[in-house]
Amino acid sequence: EAQVTQNPRYLITVTGKKLTVTCSQNMNHEYMSWYRQDPGLGLRQIYYSMNVEVTDKGDVPEGYKVSRKEKRNFPLILESPSPNQTSLYFCASSSWQDNSPLHFGNGTRLTVT
Amino acid sequence: QKEVEQDPGPLSVPEGAIVSLNCTYSNSAFQYFMWYRQYSRKGPELLMYTYSSGNKEDGRFTAQVDKSSKYISLFIRDSQPSDSATYLCAMTPDFKAAGNKLTFGGGTRVLVKP
Repeated sequence: EAQVTQNPRYLITVTGKKLTVTCSQNMNHEYMSWYRQDPGLGLRQIYYSMNVEVTDKGDVPEGYKVSRKEKRNFPLILESPSPNQTSLYFCASSSWQDNSPLHFGNGTRLTVT
Repeated sequence: QKEVEQDPGPLSVPEGAIVSLNCTYSNSAFQYFMWYRQYSRKGPELLMYTYSSGNKEDGRFTAQVDKSSKYISLFIRDSQPSDSATYLCAMTPDFKAAGNKLTFGGGTRVLVKP
């Protein structure tokens, strides 16, 4: 089954404790991206990757890092999480060369206390 | 002002009614228009995808795009309780453009009552 898989689904952590949210897709998509979803603000892009070793900032990159060492994986790293990063996070992928829309994972709900 | 505006609802309809959803936007460069459905605790799921102006039908779903008015619509016929979800519109100038970023509306929550 074609899918984007995120782990963990739920995460509660404390301020300053580094964490990584993993994302993997099995569709051989070149493009991957991270979004956060907040009430009243909708979905906003954090980082994206056009292909392996190619990443760039989205609209709200502060406090986040990403890496794309393999085509299927695109982890999101919070080096020093803060409470304002409490949010619902979605990883997405697409075959942008085919002009195809994004396919989303089921989300990671992060709470930073 | 947001680039894409969408009424948050909730929109409550009886089962079998037509659900009418819409978004307005300000960026005339948008060419690709999408509707996503999001159930609680799930990721957005692509429903419809259209390019430029016109209509597209898929089963009970019809998407319309009016670029001259910067207005897009989604109609759900014969609505079912399982259609209860949040519906997000999204758009982009060009998937191949750097960033492939989608600009989303805030979503409309729909409740279909049996």
